[in-house]
Amino acid sequence: EAQLVESGGGLVKPGGSLRLSCAASGFTFSDYNMNWVRQAPGKGLEWVSSISSASSYKYYADSVKGRFTISRDNAKNSLYLQMSSLRAEDTALYYCAGSSWYWYFALWGRGTLVTVSS
Amino acid sequence: EIVMTQSPATLSVSPGERATLSCRASQSVGSNYLAWYQQKPGQAPRLLIYAASTRATGIPARFSGSGSGAEFTLTISSLQSEDFAVYYCQQYNSWPLTFGGGTEVEIK
Repeated sequence: EAQLVESGGGLVKPGGSLRLSCAASGFTFSDYNMNWVRQAPGKGLEWVSSISSASSYKYYADSVKGRFTISRDNAKNSLYLQMSSLRAEDTALYYCAGSSWYWYFALWGRGTLVTVSS
Repeated sequence: EIVMTQSPATLSVSPGERATLSCRASQSVGSNYLAWYQQKPGQAPRLLIYAASTRATGIPARFSGSGSGAEFTLTISSLQSEDFAVYYCQQYNSWPLTFGGGTEVEIK
């Protein structure tokens, strides 16, 4: 069974940094494009960043561009999101999501909560 | 950026009735690059429909998607208790990927 498990969330002060990880299992990770999608408390879904299967292409929402960096390690079946210069508005549940050839989200993790507060 | 607008924000439906949810894009999403998701409280979203009308694996036939260009509809033919949730549409025609604001389907 395909599974995505996020980790690395927590409480961080404004301006701080955090690195999220997503461990994949039960499917061929290197065949999938991968993404981060977030959801602020009580709000809707917001796409954050995407990376192609071989890391050739990376995309970012304007709201995180220049502050967040997406990466992956296919040998470790893992996806990462390095977040810096964090702001209160980055507070959200961050989901790892997998896409096949097209950029819809077929696989989802359960999310990891990031709280930015002083 | 393609802006996705869902309506209504809340839909009150009795079990067994049909629910029709709308999703409108600010411009065409190309070759129907439109997906629908269901999210229940405390759970991750789940893919229901992709390519505007193709059901994802394991999704019951009572869920159907239709539409093209910039106007799309998700229909739940006969609502079951487990279908009361929030539904989101998402376009994947162009960057940035964008979601609609969601429609909450609640019990009438």
